[in-house]
Amino acid sequence: GAVVSQHPSWVICKSGTSVKIECRSLDFQATTMFWYRQFPKQSLMLMATSNEGSKATYEQGVEKDKFLINHASLTLSTLTVTSAHPEDSSFYICSALGLAGNEQFFGPGTRLTVL
Amino acid sequence: GQNIDQPTEMTATEGAIVQINCTYQTSGFNGLFWYQQHAGEAPTFLSYNVLDGLEEKGRFSSFLSRSKGYSYLLLKELQMKDSASYLCAVKKTSFQKLVFGTGTRLLVSP
Repeated sequence: GAVVSQHPSWVICKSGTSVKIECRSLDFQATTMFWYRQFPKQSLMLMATSNEGSKATYEQGVEKDKFLINHASLTLSTLTVTSAHPEDSSFYICSALGLAGNEQFFGPGTRLTVL
Repeated sequence: GQNIDQPTEMTATEGAIVQINCTYQTSGFNGLFWYQQHAGEAPTFLSYNVLDGLEEKGRFSSFLSRSKGYSYLLLKELQMKDSASYLCAVKKTSFQKLVFGTGTRLLVSP
């Protein structure tokens, strides 16, 4: 149990386009999901906390108009990178908070490359 | 602010024991996790400490001292497949979010 999927697993796009990444909890409902970004050889940096039915809470320094988060259902959160630029190229990982509210279950990650 | 520090890199030999330290300064502490991450993959859960002391799980053990803001992950009987990055993460009381440390890349050699 407690499986989280992400789609796509990798994406290459042109500068200026928008990219949507989906995060799904497959066998449990998650009222809270998290989005992280990881640059090469660095640790995970929390971008935002996504809450079902309400606005996401963004970490300091993360542009909410550039990284749009929609938590439309108890099993799906989406991250849209708008007007992507090469510096947005990174590994994006989501996680879903388990029912006990204790442990986060991580998705497999999405590698974004912006040309 | 919050600081969560780990050594950047460590090397060890197959069959040996290695200890990876994590020191933290943060408000709203609600537990500490250790994760393993292989390159290009998502983190996988190793251990969770919320109270002081040692938690043992097979070849892996984790220790926490809340008063000292200190934790370590102990890996015994190292195997080549243990070569990975090890991340400690502090769970915050606010929104149950995790703040990750800088990560330690462990290289196990024959």
